[in-house]
Amino acid sequence: QKEVEQNSGPLSVPEGAIASLNCTYSDRGSQSFFWYRQYSGKSPELIMSIYSNGDKEDGRFTAQLNKASQYVSLLIRDSQPSDSATYLCAAPDILTGGGNKLTFGTGTQLKVEL
Amino acid sequence: KAGVTQTPRYLIKTRGQQVTLSCSPISGHRSVSWYQQTPGQGLQFLFEYFSETQRNKGNFPGRFSGRQFSNSRSEMNVSTLELGDSALYLCASRGLAEAFFGQGTRLTVV
Repeated sequence: QKEVEQNSGPLSVPEGAIASLNCTYSDRGSQSFFWYRQYSGKSPELIMSIYSNGDKEDGRFTAQLNKASQYVSLLIRDSQPSDSATYLCAAPDILTGGGNKLTFGTGTQLKVEL
Repeated sequence: KAGVTQTPRYLIKTRGQQVTLSCSPISGHRSVSWYQQTPGQGLQFLFEYFSETQRNKGNFPGRFSGRQFSNSRSEMNVSTLELGDSALYLCASRGLAEAFFGQGTRLTVV
């Protein structure tokens, strides 16, 4: 059974700082990872996907994947109060029958303080 | 491009009733998955449909069922509702790799 683990937080950072969110996974065969942002009472929103080792940057967001260490992270530069949310790490399970499902971590709550 | 649409947004039902939730995926997406989200259990996979066929099912009782129509719209049904079924039900639409969620249906069972 694939497992994805995250520190539940809350992680508090001051406005303008870099927020670093981490995720570890159990399945060495995992090839791709997704970061979702979920505001309280809302549905998850896909903000980053990463498919290969190394860094992927998109605006203020950088996803980092280290397959050898089974570790994926999300960096948010110049954190803003609007970044305050729960960040969910997810990895797809390729299932028999050709489908897949996402296995989610429990999420890390980020609070950006003024 | 329209996103994933779920209806209704909110529902209040009493124990023992049944409920049907609807999901319209992104145009062109053939895979629709359903998830249940509760504070205690996080996001749990219910089932996935692709081209009108259920490909996979999570570890939920048979009271939870679903179907997919030829236009890829999907419905899920929960029969004999229990208090523990109160949750946010999310539909995810997937093309090749990335999955996009609808706004969710918040079900409250009283």
